[in-house]
Amino acid sequence: DAKTTQPTSMDCAEGRAANLPCNHSTISGNEYVYWYRQIHSQGPQYIIHGLKNNETNEMASLIITEDRKSSTLILPHATLRDTAVYYCIASDNYGQNFVFGPGTRLSVLP
Amino acid sequence: EAQVTQNPRYLITVTGKKLTVTCSQNMNHEYMSWYRQDPGLGLRQIYYSMNVEVTDKGDVPEGYKVSRKEKRNFPLILESPSPNQTSLYFCASSLKDLVHEQYFGPGTRLTVT
Repeated sequence: DAKTTQPTSMDCAEGRAANLPCNHSTISGNEYVYWYRQIHSQGPQYIIHGLKNNETNEMASLIITEDRKSSTLILPHATLRDTAVYYCIASDNYGQNFVFGPGTRLSVLP
Repeated sequence: EAQVTQNPRYLITVTGKKLTVTCSQNMNHEYMSWYRQDPGLGLRQIYYSMNVEVTDKGDVPEGYKVSRKEKRNFPLILESPSPNQTSLYFCASSLKDLVHEQYFGPGTRLTVT
């Protein structure tokens, strides 16, 4: 699976959009980009995934660059409850050795 | 309510005493996985299962066993726990394949002394 790199931490003001970047320059053609988040020590929560097109659901939007070497997760109106560690993972859909790296710690500030 | 449950949630045990952490899901998912989470190392996959009686090793399988006799249950077995297995453990399940939209359990915090 391709390795991903994310900033260690980010801050965002409540009500503003949170834009979380992820680099995956070695991603292969059959690997998806997945985003999960983990609040405190709870079980991770699935957010969104995509292959090459931009995706949107009720939680977030995922923007993948045309060369697929990077992506951005967008939380359109961040709330205090969005404070969490956000993980970007590149994997094919067989998913063996699905690796969560250190992620980005997002702090939403009042 | 769709959920993955794990028991126990907290466990303190001694080296060498066999233990089982249970995992159950009520979503009829075929795919299930076990992860452990350690500070500085993120979550790492221990074992996974693609269906009943189909299991395989993940990234860190040493010292663990699993079984999948029924679709809903996927217990994690530590035959002879050691202190380096002190960790936070998560079970996950998914419908389409191993990684799409995984649902995670609440976690089991295990301490081996």
